[in-house]
Amino acid sequence: NAGVTQTPKFQVLKTGQSMTLQCAQDMNHNSMYWYRQDPGMGLRLIYYSASEGTTDKGEVPNGYNVSRLNKREFSLRLESAAPSQTSVYFCASSEVGVYNSPLHFGNGTRLTVT
Amino acid sequence: RKEVEQDPGPFNVPEGATVAFNCTYSNSASQSFFWYRQDCRKEPKLLMSVYSSGNEDGRFTAQLNRASQYISLLIRDSKLSDSATYLCVVNTEAGNNRKLIWGLGTSLAVNP
Repeated sequence: NAGVTQTPKFQVLKTGQSMTLQCAQDMNHNSMYWYRQDPGMGLRLIYYSASEGTTDKGEVPNGYNVSRLNKREFSLRLESAAPSQTSVYFCASSEVGVYNSPLHFGNGTRLTVT
Repeated sequence: RKEVEQDPGPFNVPEGATVAFNCTYSNSASQSFFWYRQDCRKEPKLLMSVYSSGNEDGRFTAQLNRASQYISLLIRDSKLSDSATYLCVVNTEAGNNRKLIWGLGTSLAVNP
């Protein structure tokens, strides 16, 4: 049981380049999330998808787009990368409608934008 | 005041010690509370939820003090493997994970 799988693990981009972070979960969870983690800022929600076919903005959505391709997959796209987007990105999933349902995180993507 | 505040530490303790962390939150309407553990350069993992009456899981005890708006985590008989960052997480809307507010974490180093 792989849980939540993110690719790539590491990426270096130049300012203005684009890329897509991939995320897939095999736990049949309805809800999926994209977070970024920066020193001194904690985990911040970028976008989430409560269920297949829906996506909503989180706390820091500017500069990002998402696609909930199906129940398993939720991708995050940077159309024109900026140095401020240098961060560690985590995808997560959880059951919906279950009180205190924990988040299950992927291993993270370490992105550097130069 | 930050929504969720934790002492960043680091807490350096010997093996076998008892250590406690507190986490304060500003929103009195907060509904649910959690402790996650994050190892260096890894993803966060749920350690335990925090219930109103307090709860225990092996060597770990979590407590909630709504009047003073803080939660605590007590670790007894510390192991080397407990070395990690402990993240306090507060949910301002029960059962809704998109309302989670994360603390910056408390770093624990357990020494031989």
